[in-house]
Amino acid sequence: DIQMTQSPSTLSASVGDRVTITCRASQSISSWLAWYQQKPGKAPKLLIYKASSLESGVPSRFSGSGSGTEFTLTISSLQPDDFATYYCQQYNSYPRGFTFGPGTKVDIK
Amino acid sequence: EVQLVESGGGLVQPGGSLRLSCAASGFTFSSYEMNWVRQAPGKGLEWVSYISSSGSTIYYADSVKGRFTISRDNAKNSLYLQMNSLRAEDTAVYYCARGVAANAFDIWGQGTMVTVSS
Repeated sequence: DIQMTQSPSTLSASVGDRVTITCRASQSISSWLAWYQQKPGKAPKLLIYKASSLESGVPSRFSGSGSGTEFTLTISSLQPDDFATYYCQQYNSYPRGFTFGPGTKVDIK
Repeated sequence: EVQLVESGGGLVQPGGSLRLSCAASGFTFSSYEMNWVRQAPGKGLEWVSYISSSGSTIYYADSVKGRFTISRDNAKNSLYLQMNSLRAEDTAVYYCARGVAANAFDIWGQGTMVTVSS
């Protein structure tokens, strides 16, 4: 199975900060990586798919990059609505499954 | 409005069974892959099962293989998860999620809580 790791596990930041979250896969997943945002008590929301494609309606301050085994999610200028937990996920690895990373919580410094 | 609504969660004893449903609306359900994802209290997301648009291809996480069965009824715009031999570690919020662009999960339901406890 493909294992996903994320760093950091928690990130304290201020409004306006540039924030970067890293996701690593245990083997190459090409560009089959998605990023999700989840707020407490709510379902996850798709932000980025295929490593760098911005989901419709998602603000352009969110961007994704990477391929193979190392990926990043960047928030160019953190907004109050962005304090949440972020998950990466590898997909299109039939039939090995669609593994999520452990999550990165972004909280207020 | 594109929407997924789960139902069927509740409290069940260890070893018991439960059937979850996910009602889809606002899109052509039969054209999309679908998934179940769960989240134990205070924990991260865990993919549970996948079904292709026609229902001909199905995958499960190792943690539920042999106990859970995913199915769909495209005529009723509905997705199901039959859960048997439930364990305490199956306690979680269960989400259904639509797959797009090679199965990124773009639409999620609100979730239904399953609690396995005596």
